[in-house]
Amino acid sequence: AQSVTQPDIHITVSEGASLELRCNYSYGATPYLFWYVQSPGQGLQLLLKYFSGDTLVQGIKGFEAEFKRSQSSFNLRKPSVHWSDAAEYFCAVGGSPGTYKYIFGTGTRLKVLA
Amino acid sequence: GAVVSQHPSRVICKSGTSVKIECRSLDFQATTMFWYRQFPKQSLMLMATSNEGSKATYEQGVEKDKFLINHASLTLSTLTVTSAHPEDSSFYICSARDSSEGFQYFGAGTRLSVL
Repeated sequence: AQSVTQPDIHITVSEGASLELRCNYSYGATPYLFWYVQSPGQGLQLLLKYFSGDTLVQGIKGFEAEFKRSQSSFNLRKPSVHWSDAAEYFCAVGGSPGTYKYIFGTGTRLKVLA
Repeated sequence: GAVVSQHPSRVICKSGTSVKIECRSLDFQATTMFWYRQFPKQSLMLMATSNEGSKATYEQGVEKDKFLINHASLTLSTLTVTSAHPEDSSFYICSARDSSEGFQYFGAGTRLSVL
């Protein structure tokens, strides 16, 4: 069965510290992988996506993610967190031809301490 | 980047009334759009897939007569919550799949409150 797991429901980091948000997936075919960010009461903003090529993907706002097929992971990283990064982060998989559906993880809520 | 407009952003209605939510792709064509529901502090749950010119495909457990979807053009899909009740109160988000690119772009969401 296709699924996405985000093991950390909440993460708190200090401003300026590094960040890593974990994402593991289960998908039958080569996955399309996404990270989205959602501020309270807002829609989703795409941070980055991966579907082929270089396994280290650069996104907006200084985020990057690395696809590791052997670990079925697509972890999101940022070297130095800013207070404005506090939000909910969702990992998603899917979008392959045929269904085009995305499966979302349960999300990780990031809190940034000043 | 591709823009998806969702309207209204917030709606309050009385129990028993119907509410229509619009989802428009502004600068691309979308043969497929998706409707999601998000409960507080939870993830997005896919409700249905909207296909231009054909019937929507609903996920298991979603009442098709309760949540009417129409996708009459390549840039517009609508979700109508019929005979709304307080338990229908939620955050509804649409997305549109760019037919040329293959990826989904999301609207800003609609907060529905049923009194």
